[in-house]
Amino acid sequence: KAGVTQTPRYLIKTRGQQVTLSCSPISGHRSVSWYQQTPGQGLQFLFEYFSETQRNKGNFPGRFSGRQFSNSRSEMNVSTLELGDSALYLCASSLAGGMHEQYFGPGTRLTVT
Amino acid sequence: GQNIDQPTEMTATEGAIVQINCTYQTSGFNGLFWYQQHAGEAPTFLSYNVLDGLEEKGRFSSFLSRSKGYSYLLLKELQMKDSASYLCAGMDSNYQLIWGAGTKLIIKP
Repeated sequence: KAGVTQTPRYLIKTRGQQVTLSCSPISGHRSVSWYQQTPGQGLQFLFEYFSETQRNKGNFPGRFSGRQFSNSRSEMNVSTLELGDSALYLCASSLAGGMHEQYFGPGTRLTVT
Repeated sequence: GQNIDQPTEMTATEGAIVQINCTYQTSGFNGLFWYQQHAGEAPTFLSYNVLDGLEEKGRFSSFLSRSKGYSYLLLKELQMKDSASYLCAGMDSNYQLIWGAGTKLIIKP
């Protein structure tokens, strides 16, 4: 079974630009969660999508948005990039979210200059 | 507020035993997860506890005390490959995971 894939793996953007990250979950998984990881801060939850609906949302500004398609693939968008958005963005899929184990993708390393 | 606390860094010797503690404070509680993350890699699932007690899985065991808001991960017969960060995450009443900052475990020969 193929794992979770994320594209692109690395990205360099400048302040004010916008970016779209993509995540393809494991086949059969309907829940996709997005996290931001920075050194010393751990994983910060962005949002979770289940069956194309946002089911949970973390404490991030509205510049961070996402969506999920009918094939469970998900995208995350960040508009008006700030220097502080530089981080590793991880996507995790699970069968149905909740108490189910999450499988993480390799992440997208975003650098904002 | 919601909070997960775990030590920033621990050092242990190859072949020894180490216990990584985690205390949590969440709005409601639907279980506690432990994940392992090697440097430059994605986190991988280790354990999930929702009832009090110890769950053993090979060299790794995880313990939960709901009344104390406390969990620990016990690693036995440490190997060099166990050098990694160990992430504790509590699940709140909305089934949202609240993550600790992670404990970096350094194994010395």
